[in-house]
Amino acid sequence: AQRVTQPEKLLSVFKGAPVELKCNYSYSGSPELFWYVQYSRQRLQLLLRHISRESIKGFTADLNKGETSFHLKKPFAQEEDSAMYYCALSDHQGAQKLVFGQGTRLTINP
Amino acid sequence: GAGVSQSPSNKVTEKGKDVELRCDPISGHTALYWYRQSLGQGLEFLIYFQGNSAPDKSGLPSDRFSAERTGGSVSTLTIQRTQQEDSAVYLCASSLNWVYEQYFGPGTRLTVT
Repeated sequence: AQRVTQPEKLLSVFKGAPVELKCNYSYSGSPELFWYVQYSRQRLQLLLRHISRESIKGFTADLNKGETSFHLKKPFAQEEDSAMYYCALSDHQGAQKLVFGQGTRLTINP
Repeated sequence: GAGVSQSPSNKVTEKGKDVELRCDPISGHTALYWYRQSLGQGLEFLIYFQGNSAPDKSGLPSDRFSAERTGGSVSTLTIQRTQQEDSAVYLCASSLNWVYEQYFGPGTRLTVT
């Protein structure tokens, strides 16, 4: 069965410090991995997907198939990064039915 | 342009009643998804529509749940004989087609008393 695990429910770092939000997945095939973000009082929105290999708002994530991980990183956190972050996967077989992790609430302290 | 809209934004209903939740996707988007966000289960997939194909209902938790999409646009999620465990935020998302980014609506918060 497909599963996404985000081990940290809450993560708090200081502004300017590095951030790493952990995500591990279980899936036997080759899934597509995503990070979604929900800022306060806003909709859930896509932050990045592994096939794009982009850096969005300074965030990057590398798919490590050996460790089945897709950790989200940013070298210098900003206060506006405070939000709820969800890791998700899709089997990408004719549909993008997303399987989400439980989410990590990131708080950036000034 | 306009994003995905959902109505109502909040719905309080008594246990045993039926409810209908509406989703208006972005114009031209052929793929439409319903998800549920609840305290116990997190965010979970419910049902998927792609164009005129038969919907993928693999995520529906019971036969009390059904959904339809009329004219390839608006979708309605119906929950019959609501139970307290149905209380959740119901999210709708649409995308150009299944390959592309999903755009989420604001959600409908359903409370079953």
